[in-house]
Amino acid sequence: GESVGLHLPTLSVQEGDNSIINCAYSNSASDYFIWYKQESGKGPQFIIDIRSNMDKRQGQRVTVLLNKTVKHLSLQIAATQPGDSAVYFCAENSATGRRALTFGSGTRLQVQP
Amino acid sequence: NAGVMQNPRHLVRRRGQEARLRCSPMKGHSHVYWYRQLPEEGLKFMVYLQKENIIDESGMPKERFSAEFPKEGPSILRIQQVVRGDSAAYFCASSPRSVGAYEQYFGPGTRLTVT
Repeated sequence: GESVGLHLPTLSVQEGDNSIINCAYSNSASDYFIWYKQESGKGPQFIIDIRSNMDKRQGQRVTVLLNKTVKHLSLQIAATQPGDSAVYFCAENSATGRRALTFGSGTRLQVQP
Repeated sequence: NAGVMQNPRHLVRRRGQEARLRCSPMKGHSHVYWYRQLPEEGLKFMVYLQKENIIDESGMPKERFSAEFPKEGPSILRIQQVVRGDSAAYFCASSPRSVGAYEQYFGPGTRLTVT
């Protein structure tokens, strides 16, 4: 069955450093990907999305890279700040499949001051 | 411009009682999704609804769980005869169109505790 998973359950970085969070997916029909940030006790917050016809998309301090060949997705956060501490989820959807998001298990990002 | 609203934020029920969770989508959004999240896990899809229609309930347990999105009012997720295993955070998301064209916006969640 389809699945979306993350390589690292916890990532600890120093304030000001760049962070990279990785995600692997298995559904080759996936064509839409989203990164969400979830702080404790809150709902997921949209960060950035990317469609399968793109390899890279940039936002404010964040970049998402998509490698369809190896079914890999990454989120890069530049100049990580304490406010970036949260759990990050990748999620995917397929236009030909179920019209809902499939979430990975999450990576906890801890930013050390 | 209010976001997705969910109530109650916290709900405590004893085993065997009913739980009713409410979700009001963002203004202009006609697509509602319900997800369940266990501690330290990702969100799991339960059901996708449009006004007066259940589009996909493939993630819903076959018994005790039901969902509706009436023409007027919020979407309701109902859990009958709750058991301890139902304890989780339940999130509602809405989008103006089905996923693939627009991202989903999530509410703050309802944390259900079954004692």
